[in-house]
Amino acid sequence: DAGVTQSPTHLIKTRGQQVTLRCSPKSGHDTVSWYQQALGQGPQFIFQYYEEEERQRGNFPDRFSGHQFPNYSSELNVNALLLGDSALYLCASSLVEGFSYEQYFGPGTRLTVT
Amino acid sequence: GENVEQHPSTLSVQEGDSAVIKCTYSDSASNYFPWYKQELGKRPQLIIDIRSNVGEKKDQRIAVTLNKTAKHFSLHITETQPEDSAVYFCAASTYNDMRFGAGTRLTVKP
Repeated sequence: DAGVTQSPTHLIKTRGQQVTLRCSPKSGHDTVSWYQQALGQGPQFIFQYYEEEERQRGNFPDRFSGHQFPNYSSELNVNALLLGDSALYLCASSLVEGFSYEQYFGPGTRLTVT
Repeated sequence: GENVEQHPSTLSVQEGDSAVIKCTYSDSASNYFPWYKQELGKRPQLIIDIRSNVGEKKDQRIAVTLNKTAKHFSLHITETQPEDSAVYFCAASTYNDMRFGAGTRLTVKP
C-alpha cells in the first residue's frame, strides 16, 4: 500500500522565481491538503483540494496556488518567491468517504529561497 | 479562524515518568483532535486522535482527553522511554481545515 509521496525532496530557488511542488496521495485517498512548516514551528494550513477544486484555504497570499488532477495527485505553486517562503512543505492525504478526518503526511519538500 | 495554543514548548522527563502536553483551541466548530509525533527530519506521524463526541481515548501508553466545554485537550504519555523523544503537535480540525499548535519538544532522559 503506497503511502503519500512528494517530489522533489529538496529545492533551492532564487527570490522572485516560481516553484512547483508535487504530491501523490496515499492509495485510496481522494483529498490533499498542503502545509508550510517553518523551522521550529507547527505546520501551517495552506489549502485543501477535493474533486479538483480548492475546498478550504488558510491565511496565505494568492502567490500560493494549487491544482488537483483526476488521479487525485496535487501540485502546489508558489510565485514571486520571498526569502520567508523557505520552509518544509508538507502534503497530507485523507479520504472523504465516511467522513474520515485522518490525514497522513508525506515526507515533505524542503524549499530554500536565496 | 481556528487558533491552537500548545504548552509547554519544551518538556524534559526521566525515563519511566509520565509526560503531559496541553492544548487549547478557539473554534467551537472543531470536532476532531489529532496528535502527531515528528522526529528530526521526518514527517509528522499520527499517534492518536479523538473526536468531539468522546471524552477520553487510550492506546497502550498514550491517552488523550478532551473537554469541549473548556475547549482544551491533553496528551498523556505514561512510562516514557527514550524513543518517545520527539516534537509533538496537537491539532484541531473541522472537516476540511486542520490547525496545528506550535509543538512540544519532549526529551526523555535515560
